[in-house]
Amino acid sequence: AQTVTQSQPEMSVQEAETVTLSCTYDTSENNYYLFWYKQPPSRQMILVIRQEAYKQQNATENRFSVNFQKAAKSFSLKISDSQLGDTAMYFCAFTRGGNEKLTFGTGTRLTIIP
Amino acid sequence: DAGVTQSPTHLIKTRGQQVTLRCSPKSGHDTVSWYQQALGQGPQFIFQYYEEEERQRGNFPDRFSGHQFPNYSSELNVNALLLGDSALYLCASSSIGFEQYFGPGTRLTVT
Repeated sequence: AQTVTQSQPEMSVQEAETVTLSCTYDTSENNYYLFWYKQPPSRQMILVIRQEAYKQQNATENRFSVNFQKAAKSFSLKISDSQLGDTAMYFCAFTRGGNEKLTFGTGTRLTIIP
Repeated sequence: DAGVTQSPTHLIKTRGQQVTLRCSPKSGHDTVSWYQQALGQGPQFIFQYYEEEERQRGNFPDRFSGHQFPNYSSELNVNALLLGDSALYLCASSSIGFEQYFGPGTRLTVT
């Protein structure tokens, strides 16, 4: 069974600064997908970024980027130039792909301070 | 193009009652997955429906059942409600090989 661990329950950072959220996972699979989801107080789970395990290049989406270390089974999210709207719960998630279920971590509550 | 919709937004039930939650997938999606998110936790996978059949199931008791209709919409039924069933229930839709898109959730409170 796959497990996903987020060891930072809460983080806070000043607006415009950079913050990194950590995630580690455990799997015996060689091919899989990793995601970061954002859940603001509105409760809507929003996909932030995805990474395919077979790709060596780290994914980037505007201010969001990941550091994917396959051998270490680590998948961190970096948010640059943080904005007040980034305040939310952030969940790391794993799937074997092919429409398989998502396995989530316990989340990191991120607060951006004005 | 409407995204994933869920109804109702929230509801309150009493222990022992039964509840039905509904989900309409994003246009073009044929697969619906249900997740339970307890307060302060990450979502836990309940089950997934594809072609009107349960395709995968997580570690949830038989009190949790579902259905998918020919138009791909889905229902989640929970019988004999327990206090521990209080949670946010999330529906996600997808198509084979693509990301899961989530609805806004239904907040269930069992008293």
